[in-house]
Amino acid sequence: SQTIHQWPATLVQPVGSPLSLECTVEGTSNPNLYWYRQAAGRGLQLLFYSVGIGQISSEVPQNLSASRPQDRQFILSSKKLLLSDSGFYLCAWESRARPYEQYFGPGTRLTVT
Amino acid sequence: SQQGEEDPQALSIQEGENATMNCSYKTSINNLQWYRQNSGRGLVHLILIRSNEREKHSGRLRVTLDTSKKSSSLLITASRAADTASYFCATDDSSYKLIFGSGTRLLVRP
Repeated sequence: SQTIHQWPATLVQPVGSPLSLECTVEGTSNPNLYWYRQAAGRGLQLLFYSVGIGQISSEVPQNLSASRPQDRQFILSSKKLLLSDSGFYLCAWESRARPYEQYFGPGTRLTVT
Repeated sequence: SQQGEEDPQALSIQEGENATMNCSYKTSINNLQWYRQNSGRGLVHLILIRSNEREKHSGRLRVTLDTSKKSSSLLITASRAADTASYFCATDDSSYKLIFGSGTRLLVRP
């Protein structure tokens, strides 16, 4: 069966520090991968998606970036965090055989202080 | 921009009662999905209904879709305390993107 991991689970970082969040998927090949951010009590905002290694599409211009160095690995990064980057970050995967059904990781709670 | 909007924003019911949540959207869709999110956790996929379907069941869940009204409803029958969560609808428009609503917070009182 497929599983999706995210780490760390929680993170507290000062303004201006770098960020690296990692997401890995097991039990599937060639997934589409997604990064979302969720503000408290709100819906999900799509940040990035990837349909293959090295292929990244950005939805929201900001100081975040994403990379996909391996088929089942998706990384969210920032060189300098802003207070507004605080939130709950969720990674999701989707099978090309069943598009639009997305399966989410447990999330990373990021607090920028 | 948000496509799906859930209604009500919050719902409190007694265990054993049915819970109904609604979702409205603005543009044509291919599919509509419902997800559940327990507090501080990731989203769990519940059910997908295609634009050419009108009703779908999965266990205690019943989803309806009315494309003429651009709306969907999620019915949870015989609710349990464990159903307490936020419920989101999500729509897709044949791009690679899902667009989520703001969610309905359901509280099931024991």
